[in-house]
Amino acid sequence: SQQGEEDPQALSIQEGENATMNCSYKTSINNLQWYRQNSGRGLVHLILIRSNEREKHSGRLRVTLDTSKKSSSLLITASRAADTASYFCATEREGNKLVFGAGTILRVKS
Amino acid sequence: EAGVVQSPRYKIIEKKQPVAFWCNPISGHNTLYWYRQNLGQGPELLIRYENEEAVDDSQLPKDRFSAERLKGVDSTLKIQPAELGDSAVYLCASSLRGVNSNYGYTFGSGTRLTVV
Repeated sequence: SQQGEEDPQALSIQEGENATMNCSYKTSINNLQWYRQNSGRGLVHLILIRSNEREKHSGRLRVTLDTSKKSSSLLITASRAADTASYFCATEREGNKLVFGAGTILRVKS
Repeated sequence: EAGVVQSPRYKIIEKKQPVAFWCNPISGHNTLYWYRQNLGQGPELLIRYENEEAVDDSQLPKDRFSAERLKGVDSTLKIQPAELGDSAVYLCASSLRGVNSNYGYTFGSGTRLTVV
């Protein structure tokens, strides 16, 4: 079973615009991670945010975490065509178990 | 560094046949995971190893699936016999876990299995 739920399921934007993806989960977590997957490829780790952190940045990525609402968001600023991919949030629970959501398909049009 | 290496990249077999997938994790990573990813969905954990010990195999269909991680390094996942519903991408991942780790998991490219 998948714990995380991403929203929206699909997102289409123009190059240069910002893309925001949301993730909700149900149980307490140690950390939350975001991954990217290009078509037919493996997953690439983007960023990890611990349960005691509220915001984290990495390059054009900004992740927020609200443990009271059990939700997270991933913001990609100044999107590029190369950002076109599926994005997954994953929550790590007690016992180092990483559970993925169903993902958001992002399409950036040039 | 080669990353997590998986083979084969693709496999097509007839139902009821056996199949095996191999994974070589990143050197030094003590934790290894096998995930299955169906089309349009996120990966689902099948089994997790801490060194050579399977510490979470609750989602592994044990009637037909088996896995091993000899010497705590590379790992093999086997299906026997395969069913049509086993068609999916099988992903291997490894990590170096620690309380203050900021690193996520490193995934291999996966094995795309098609059962016909």
